[in-house]
Amino acid sequence: GALVYQYPRRTICKSGTSMRMECQAVGFQATSVAWYRQSPQKTFELIALSTVNSAIKYEQNFTQEKFPISHPNLSFSSMTVLNAYLEDRGLYLCGARDHGANSDYTFGSGTRLLVI
Amino acid sequence: GDQVEQSPSALSLHEGTGSALRCNFTTTMRAVQWFRKNSRGSLINLFYLASGTKENGRLKSAFDSKERYSTLHIRDAQLEDSGTYFCAALVTSGGNYKPTFGKGTSLVVHP
Repeated sequence: GALVYQYPRRTICKSGTSMRMECQAVGFQATSVAWYRQSPQKTFELIALSTVNSAIKYEQNFTQEKFPISHPNLSFSSMTVLNAYLEDRGLYLCGARDHGANSDYTFGSGTRLLVI
Repeated sequence: GDQVEQSPSALSLHEGTGSALRCNFTTTMRAVQWFRKNSRGSLINLFYLASGTKENGRLKSAFDSKERYSTLHIRDAQLEDSGTYFCAALVTSGGNYKPTFGKGTSLVVHP
């Protein structure tokens, strides 16, 4: 079956430092990868949508300068939170989809980021 | 404003009873997915619908793109059904599908 693994599961970083998180698709081709942040008390906010070998589209309030994303092949994507501060804490989720017809998104368990 | 409005935000059921969750959309959505967040924090995919209805055990979901809503019906609720349920509507974006989540429904099933 289609699975998405995210690592690390949990991480702590000091304020002002950066943290890289990874997303691995197994059993299908991750043509598209969507990265989300779930802040405390909030729903899942889309950060950016990436299509392999194509431009990465960032949502309003999120920038490549702050959340650079790499999507080099059909099984892997990574995102870095640069210069993390308290407001960046939360659960970061990635979902991947194969561009086959009627294909749904499969989500990982997320990377929980704590900033101290 | 929010493109996906999910209700109710919280739901309490006695074992053996049932209810429905609903997501209303402010625009035409291409498809919808329903998830349950388990105790480990993983989003478990329950349904993917581009139209019509699907049923799986005690769960049934419907999606009406024209009327801009989707529902998730739970019947004969069991204790293990407790958790947070999310709908995610897939909107077409530059040839791709972009999932937009509802705010979730926290379900507690009581003995």
